[in-house]
Amino acid sequence: EAAVTQSPRSKVAVTGGKVTLSCHQTNNHDYMYWYRQDTGHGLRLIHYSYVADSTEKGDIPDGYKASRPSQENFSLILELASLSQTAVYFCASSDGTGGTYEQYFGPGTRLTVL
Amino acid sequence: AQSVTQPDARVTVSEGASLQLRCKYSSSGTPYLFWYVQYPRQGLQLLLKYYSGDPVVQGVNGFEAEFSKSNSSFHLRKASVHWSDSAVYFCVLSGGMLSGSFNKLTFGAGTRLAVCP
Repeated sequence: EAAVTQSPRSKVAVTGGKVTLSCHQTNNHDYMYWYRQDTGHGLRLIHYSYVADSTEKGDIPDGYKASRPSQENFSLILELASLSQTAVYFCASSDGTGGTYEQYFGPGTRLTVL
Repeated sequence: AQSVTQPDARVTVSEGASLQLRCKYSSSGTPYLFWYVQYPRQGLQLLLKYYSGDPVVQGVNGFEAEFSKSNSSFHLRKASVHWSDSAVYFCVLSGGMLSGSFNKLTFGAGTRLAVCP
């Protein structure tokens, strides 16, 4: 069974603080992704990675950094959290990229920035 | 640019009734289309996918979807819903190989389905 886990599941942060969201997959997948979901909207891609120690920008990378220290782990970093970054964040993994590859999603992290 | 529109933010049906969730897409190339479901406090799970061929594709738990190129639609259907089908359903598009968006998933805003007993 493909598995993607995220921690923490929810977090409250202060404006200007640093936030790190973690993702771990046991699928042996090369590709990992970070998305954000805002109320009433679909998911939007922030960063992705296809190999350890390398990350790529997605559609909305501003204000976020990513780190892929190993194939299994992928972190999203908010160096200076802002109110506009309040959202639910999803991590996903896939065996390859492109429309033919299913992405497996984690349960999400609800981030509230005050 | 590619886009996905799910016109119904919320749908409420009675248990045992039939269901259709609507999805319209815009893509410059041949689309790859998916329906994902998000149950409460869980991640998204794949229900079904369409690449080519028979426009009606079968998915898990009795769901099916029909692709229409002329209408740019990919509606999700189920003949008889159960209370456990209550969830948020996302229509998702990936552009085809020639569209320049092959590696990109574009998500609709989602439709929240409530099944009443």
